[in-house]
Amino acid sequence: QSALTQSRSVSGSPGQSVTISCTGTSSDVGTYNYVSWYHQNPGKAPRLIIYDVSKRPSGVPDRFSGSKSGNTASLTISGLQAEDEGDYYCSSYAGSNVVFGGGTKLTVL
Amino acid sequence: QVQLVESGGGVVQPGRSLRLSCAASGFIFSSHAMHWVRQAPGKGLEWVAIISYDGNYKYYADSVKGRFTISRDNSKSTLYLQMNSLRTEDTAVYFCARDLGLYSSSCWEFDYWGQGNLVPVSS
Repeated sequence: QSALTQSRSVSGSPGQSVTISCTGTSSDVGTYNYVSWYHQNPGKAPRLIIYDVSKRPSGVPDRFSGSKSGNTASLTISGLQAEDEGDYYCSSYAGSNVVFGGGTKLTVL
Repeated sequence: QVQLVESGGGVVQPGRSLRLSCAASGFIFSSHAMHWVRQAPGKGLEWVAIISYDGNYKYYADSVKGRFTISRDNSKSTLYLQMNSLRTEDTAVYFCARDLGLYSSSCWEFDYWGQGNLVPVSS
């Protein structure tokens, strides 16, 4: 049950776009489309922003988009806003368990 | 609206036991699988366990297998996590989370989360 690999931090200015990558293996991201992304602010519960690789729950702006290629999933946030700051986690089904990425801290400059 | 409210946390000594509860409301509890996810202080998320909508199957992370037991009471819309033989490395905020899928179509993705319940394991 190894964790998925995410970059520790990313930053961007308001209005810009940023992409966060999430690298797994053929045992998780590479095989299953149950890849999701969560946004978490300090002291709060995570919030689902992308599921099934690229689907958005209702209420999540279309500035958030997800994709996958091989063993790597990506989250792109376009038109950055101040409220997008926080930690982002990817997760993937891995056959009777779930693995998370270590988290990426997004700073909006 | 969907609400998940955890309770039962608190300081516990290594080797002792503790049971967490998660009271659900605002949806048909018996139609969704449920999960526990934890987060050690300053660390990332770690999946702990899943229980199917009907309680017939359960899976655990290797780190808690044999020590933790997930269960549910659909008549009370409540999820539980019995934690035995606690270790200092179990110190974390424990979240209950609803599986996005319905009935047997669990997708192991989490669309609603509780507020979290801190469990410090310390002597």
